[in-house]
Amino acid sequence: NAGVTQTPKFQVLKTGQSMTLQCAQDMNHNSMYWYRQDPGMGLRLIYYSASEGTTDKGEVPNGYNVSRLNKREFSLRLESAAPSQTSVYFCASSETGTGETLHFGNGTRLTVT
Amino acid sequence: QQQVKQSPQSLIVQKGGISIINCAYENTAFDYFPWYQQFPGKGPALLIAIRPDVSEKKEGRFTISFNKSAKQFSLHIMDSQPGDSATYFCAASIFSGTYKYIFGTGTRLKVLA
Repeated sequence: NAGVTQTPKFQVLKTGQSMTLQCAQDMNHNSMYWYRQDPGMGLRLIYYSASEGTTDKGEVPNGYNVSRLNKREFSLRLESAAPSQTSVYFCASSETGTGETLHFGNGTRLTVT
Repeated sequence: QQQVKQSPQSLIVQKGGISIINCAYENTAFDYFPWYQQFPGKGPALLIAIRPDVSEKKEGRFTISFNKSAKQFSLHIMDSQPGDSATYFCAASIFSGTYKYIFGTGTRLKVLA
């Protein structure tokens, strides 16, 4: 039982390059989330998905797109990376309806030069 | 109105002492208030949580105090241990199709041996 798995763990991009961050959960959770963590800013919600087939914007969605591929997988895409997107990205999942616990992956550390 | 304000930014406590971290919110629609603990290189993990219908919740050495009228809540760590050294995030959640979690900016706690 792996919980929430994120790939890759580390990535360096040049400005303008694109990439997709992958996230998969094996807990049969309905809801999935993408957060970014920056020093002094805490965790800020980028996008979330309440259920398979639905996605919604969070606090800081600009520059990102997401895909809820199926119930297990929720990917985050940077179409044209910018230095301001240098951050640690966390995927999380929860069981809709309980509002109890967010289960986080161990993050992807992204540097855009 | 969606913000959660957390203080202090960093905290140093002697072993055996009490660590206190405070959070404040504005949106009265928030209905669930968790605290997350994060160790370096890991994702945050749920530590303890409270709903606004109770004023205090205790789990072992960790206690949440909740003041609904003041829109404030705090985490108390009794008999702090070096193993408690981590970053702590308060959060508040609101239901909008699924639970959306808004996090504070985090407190880096260091417990001296």
